[in-house]
Amino acid sequence: EAAVTQSPRNKVAVTGGKVTLSCNQTNNHNNMYWYRQDTGHGLRLIHYSYGAGSTEKGDIPDGYKASRPSQENFSLILELATPSQTSVYFCASGGGQGAREQYFGPGTRLTVL
Amino acid sequence: GQQVQQSPASLVLQEGENAELQCNFSTSLNSMQWFYQRPGGSLVSLFYNPSGTKQSGRLTSTTVIKERRSSLHISSSQTTDSGTYLCAMVYNYAQGLTFGLGTRVSVFP
Repeated sequence: EAAVTQSPRNKVAVTGGKVTLSCNQTNNHNNMYWYRQDTGHGLRLIHYSYGAGSTEKGDIPDGYKASRPSQENFSLILELATPSQTSVYFCASGGGQGAREQYFGPGTRLTVL
Repeated sequence: GQQVQQSPASLVLQEGENAELQCNFSTSLNSMQWFYQRPGGSLVSLFYNPSGTKQSGRLTSTTVIKERRSSLHISSSQTTDSGTYLCAMVYNYAQGLTFGLGTRVSVFP
């Protein structure tokens, strides 16, 4: 079973503060993804990565940065958090040539006050 | 852009009843994936199904790529099947999934 973990699981941040969400996968997948889930919108892709050192913009990248320092780790960074970024964030790995199926982490609930 | 339509939006079942969930795609796709989202929020992959029919226990997924649709059949539903079922399309293998809004299933004893 693929293993994707996220930290923190819950986070409360203040408007204008910096938030870093972390994701770790032990599957040796090249591709990793960050999604957010909001009522009425479903899950939407924010950033993705093809491997260590690479980050690509997804469908809704504005206000977010990503960092992939290693095969295992992929971070999502909110430099100046806003209340509109209150959401549940999911990390996933897979989806590439070697592993077409995507496996998701448990999610991080972020509240920006 | 690509769109994914799921139907019905919600479904109420009595334990033991069967159900069919539908997923339609607005563009051509390479594959699709079905997920179950637990009431607590975590996502469980049910099927990765590029084409044809796949079965796992009481769940059966059928994808017809040329017709841009997929279905998920739940047989003999149980209360533990309650939750939200999401389908997602693979347009480009490396560029993430495009999700539908889901079907919320409630199974009562």
